[in-house]
Amino acid sequence: DIQVTQSPSSVSASVGDRVTITCRTSQGINSWLAWYQQKPGKAPKLLIYAASTLPSGVPSRFSGSGSGTDFTLTISSLQPEDFATYYCQQANNFPLTFGQGTRLEIK
Amino acid sequence: QVQLQESGPGLVKPSETLSLTCTVSTGSITRFFWGWIRQPPGQGLEWIGYISYSGNTNYNPSLKSRVTMSLDTPKNQFSLRLKSVTALDTAVYYCARGEWLFDYWGQGVLVTVSS
Repeated sequence: DIQVTQSPSSVSASVGDRVTITCRTSQGINSWLAWYQQKPGKAPKLLIYAASTLPSGVPSRFSGSGSGTDFTLTISSLQPEDFATYYCQQANNFPLTFGQGTRLEIK
Repeated sequence: QVQLQESGPGLVKPSETLSLTCTVSTGSITRFFWGWIRQPPGQGLEWIGYISYSGNTNYNPSLKSRVTMSLDTPKNQFSLRLKSVTALDTAVYYCARGEWLFDYWGQGVLVTVSS
């Protein structure tokens, strides 16, 4: 199985801050990576796919980059509704695997 | 807007079979792949597997011996069965649309395994 490691596991930030979350995979996956946002008690929401593509309706303050084994999710200017847990997921090999999550908290 | 809704018992006894159904509104299940993902309380996400619009399946090897997925196309539903459950199977179970990634999700259902 491909191991997916996120860092940090948690981060505190303020509204307006720029935040970057990193995802590393145990083997190269080209650009087959997705990011999800999950709020407490809710299902995950697809945020980014193919490493850098935003689905319709996702705000442009979210961006993704990377290929191979190293990927980043960046939120350019945090909004109150962005405080949540973020997961990356490799979409290159079965079984699909997720990172352990990064909890983004209000400072 | 595609909507998915999980249904099934919230409590299952150890060694018994967990059975969940996902009902899809707006659009036919015969056009996409459909998956199940679970999340133990306070933990991360685990992919269980998918079933295709034609009924082909692909399961996580860690669960493969215990998992069965099926389609009920007249009802626009798909289902998950997980046999011989233990406390480690306690989780929120989500159904979702997709093969490699998931663009629409159900709200999730908590299934507790306990006697």
